[in-house]
Amino acid sequence: DTEVTQTPKHLVMGMTNKKSLKCEQHMGHRAMYWYKQKAKKPPELMFVYSYEKLSINESVPSRFSPECPNSSLLNLHLHALQPEDSALYLCASSPGFDRGHGYTFGSGTRLTVV
Amino acid sequence: GENVEQHPSTLSVQEGDSAVIKCTYSDSASNYFPWYKQELGKRPQLIIDIRSNVGEKKDQRIAVTLNKTAKHFSLHITETQPEDSAVYFCAASRVPGSARQLTFGSGTQLTVLP
Repeated sequence: DTEVTQTPKHLVMGMTNKKSLKCEQHMGHRAMYWYKQKAKKPPELMFVYSYEKLSINESVPSRFSPECPNSSLLNLHLHALQPEDSALYLCASSPGFDRGHGYTFGSGTRLTVV
Repeated sequence: GENVEQHPSTLSVQEGDSAVIKCTYSDSASNYFPWYKQELGKRPQLIIDIRSNVGEKKDQRIAVTLNKTAKHFSLHITETQPEDSAVYFCAASRVPGSARQLTFGSGTQLTVLP
C-alpha cells in the first residue's frame, strides 16, 4: 500500500458544528502532516507529527485540533470554524529520519464552512 | 525561516516545446528540493526531487538542476504534451531530525497549447 487515504473527500459544516477529518497510511511512515491549501495557492503547513508526537504547530488557531492515535492514523478535529477556513485540507506522510523518498500526499478533504 | 520564490507564475508553451520553471531559496541549510505537479482538484504529486549533493537529475522528459552557491534550482520539461498542463510547485526543506518541513514556492500554472 503506497497511499495516504483521507476521509471524507468533501465536507460541508456550519460554524457551530464539530467534525473530524481522518488520514491513514500503511507505509510505515513515522512523520505525518496536515496542510491547508486555498485555491491557486501552495499548501501551507499546519501541524507535524513525528513518531506520534506533535513536533510543529504553525500557530494554527485552536479551533483546529490535531490528534495522532497511532503511527498509521492522523485526525484533525474541527470546531467553531469560520467561512475563511474553507479550503482543501491535505494530509501527508514521510518515512522519518530521511529514510527513502519524500512526501506522499493524500487526495485531500475539500471543506466548506457555511 | 525558509523562503522560496518561484517564477514565472504562469507559463504557456506550444506542444513539443520546452518549459523551464525557476525557484530560489533563502536557507543555505536546505538540502532537499522536490517538485510537485497538481492538476485541478487533485493532490500534489511528486514528479522529481534532488538532494544538495547532486547538481542535476533527469527522469525521461523531466530534469531538475540545482546551484547551491546561487541557491536556485530549476525544473525543465522537454517535448511538452497537453497532459503536462497543471500547476507546478517547487519546495525546499532540510531534515531537522525525524520530520521534513517543506516550504513551497507560490506555484506556476503551465499551459501546453496543442
